[in-house]
Amino acid sequence: GDSVTQMEGPVTLSEEAFLTINCTYTATGYPSLFWYVQYPGEGLQLLLKATKADDKGSNKGFEATYRKETTSFHLEKGSVQVSDSAVYFCALVHQGAQKLVFGQGTRLTINP
Amino acid sequence: GAVVSQHPSRVICKSGTSVKIECRSLDFQATTMFWYRQFPKQSLMLMATSNEGSKATYEQGVEKDKFLINHASLTLSTLTVTSAHPEDSSFYICSAPYSGKETQYFGPGTRLLVL
Repeated sequence: GDSVTQMEGPVTLSEEAFLTINCTYTATGYPSLFWYVQYPGEGLQLLLKATKADDKGSNKGFEATYRKETTSFHLEKGSVQVSDSAVYFCALVHQGAQKLVFGQGTRLTINP
Repeated sequence: GAVVSQHPSRVICKSGTSVKIECRSLDFQATTMFWYRQFPKQSLMLMATSNEGSKATYEQGVEKDKFLINHASLTLSTLTVTSAHPEDSSFYICSAPYSGKETQYFGPGTRLLVL
């Protein structure tokens, strides 16, 4: 079945550091890929998405590129801020479907 | 973007009582909504798919009689935790796909504590 694997956390960085959170997936066909973010005590918010190979999703300084050849969708940000501290979830959904498959989540803490 | 609300945001109840959690899509209609459970420091576990006008579809291992789901209208789904026990304490989150598309919008979650 479909699955999503994220790098294990927690990840702790200093402010202005470069961030990478790895995400790889296993799925048939060509799923759409997402990154969701969950701030403390809140629900999930869509951060960015990509719907086909080589697409790059971007938002709030975060980027992720849909790499079909490596089945990956790594999340990157050039300079993180304290306010980026949250749990990040990678997810996929098949075209035409609605049920999301989530990775296990990566907790990110940014220290000033 | 689209907004999904949940009510209540927090609830504390005694063991053996039932608790109802509401999930509403505020500015769009949702024929399908999803209910998740999230344990501390863990990922979301899909519990069930709520379908407007028909029975909910439960994931394997989720007790249908324990977690009652009713999709009363195109903007409202409710999850009732029946005869709650301390092990049911968790963070419950709902989501709804916007206009049947892939992108889902999540509610802010409901934290349930059963004493």
